[in-house]
Amino acid sequence: EPEVTQTPSHQVTQMGQEVILRCVPISNHLYFYWYRQILGQKVEFLVSFYNNEISEKSEIFDDQFSVERPDGSNFTLKIRSTKLEDSAMYFCAAGGAGKSSYNEQFFGPGTRLTVL
Amino acid sequence: QKEVEQNSGPLSVPEGAIASLNCTYSDRGSQSFFWYRQYSGKSPELIMFIYSNGDKEDGRFTAQLNKASQYVSLLIRDSQPSDSATYLCAVLTGTASKLTFGTGTRLQVTL
Repeated sequence: EPEVTQTPSHQVTQMGQEVILRCVPISNHLYFYWYRQILGQKVEFLVSFYNNEISEKSEIFDDQFSVERPDGSNFTLKIRSTKLEDSAMYFCAAGGAGKSSYNEQFFGPGTRLTVL
Repeated sequence: QKEVEQNSGPLSVPEGAIASLNCTYSDRGSQSFFWYRQYSGKSPELIMFIYSNGDKEDGRFTAQLNKASQYVSLLIRDSQPSDSATYLCAVLTGTASKLTFGTGTRLQVTL
C-alpha cells in the first residue's frame, strides 16, 4: 500500500538556522498538507498545497515558512529562521485521490524538529 | 474559531468491552468527519470517516454522526490492549479541505 514518507525522522538545529523538511506524498493524490504537533498538544494545520500552489494557510504559517514541490514528487517545508517554539513533530499528509469526495488524508511518519 | 472538542481521558475499559469515544464540533457547515488513532510518538493513522447522519461500521469500529447535535462518536467493540492509544477526532473544513483536530481521547484497555 502506498505510503507517505518523510525525511529526516529527527532534525536538531540551532535557533536562527534554516531547516528543510522533506516529504514524498502518495503519487496519485492531489492535495498535500503540512501539520504540526507540539508535544502534548493537538495536531495543527499549517498549509495545504494543490496544483503547485498554496490553497490555504493558517496563522502559524507566517513569512518564515514556505513550501514547494519542485520536481513533482518531493514536497518540502522550509523554515527560514527557526525559533525555539518551532520545536514540534511535523507531519506531511496527502489526500484527494480523485475518486474520493471526502478527502481522507494519510499522514507520513513525521519529522521531529528540535530547536536549541 | 472552529473548534473540535474531545474529553482528554484517560478512558479506561477492560479487555473485551466496548469503548465509546465522543467528539463535538462547532462548525455546522462541516461535511466530513474522521477518526484517527495515534500511538505515542507516532503519526495519526486513519481509522474511519463518516459524512452521513447515522452509523457506519468497519470491523470492530462503528462511527456515529448526528449533525443536528454536532456530535460524532466512535465505538470500539471487543476492545484489545493493542487499541490503547489516543483517538483523534478531525473535521474537514474550508475549501482546501484542511482537518481541524480535537485534542484526542486517551484510551487504556486493561487486561
